[in-house]
Amino acid sequence: DGGITQSPKYLFRKEGQNVTLSCEQNLNHDAMYWYRQDPGQGLRLIYYSQIVNDFQKGDIAEGYSVSREKKESFPLTVTSAQKNPTAFYLCASSKTGGIGGELFFGEGSRLTVL
Amino acid sequence: SQQGEEDPQALSIQEGENATMNCSYKTSINNLQWYRQNSGRGLVHLILIRSNEREKHSGRLRVTLDTSKKSSSLLITASRAADTASYFCVLIQGAQKLVFGQGTRLTINP
Repeated sequence: DGGITQSPKYLFRKEGQNVTLSCEQNLNHDAMYWYRQDPGQGLRLIYYSQIVNDFQKGDIAEGYSVSREKKESFPLTVTSAQKNPTAFYLCASSKTGGIGGELFFGEGSRLTVL
Repeated sequence: SQQGEEDPQALSIQEGENATMNCSYKTSINNLQWYRQNSGRGLVHLILIRSNEREKHSGRLRVTLDTSKKSSSLLITASRAADTASYFCVLIQGAQKLVFGQGTRLTINP
């Protein structure tokens, strides 16, 4: 079945460490997104990519980095520069990056900084 | 970027009753989507309504859009326990720009 796979589901990190969250899709979608969700809040856009080898910053990109070397993969690195990284991270994809594209979401990765 | 504001923030009803959630916004939009999120899970797309549409149905879901009042509503009829989730309206502002509100937490009591 086609879908989006995020891993790991839960991740614990010590302060000062970088961590990378994996996002893989087999939907043949061009566009991929990373969102952050804090308790009781909506989603905020971190980075998005419309095509391989290209990505743009979202509303809260500081302290994060991404790469898009393959169409299927869009990993997110949470760096030590992110001051409050504890959150629920959601990866999504859409067929195109055009207006009104339905987003397909993974099941999320919950990051806790100890 | 401006987000939609859902109302109410939380809603608790009995199974079988109808649930109505509202979303208001301030700027012009291309279209609007509604998503559902079960606790600790990813979001699932429910319905998309375009700016030139006034009403749309999908199963027990009914979405309306009033661009003059800059508001949308999501009605879930004959609610079930499985409808317990958070519901988000998502504004589409230009290409790529999907803006999420804070959501309505819906609880269906058996």
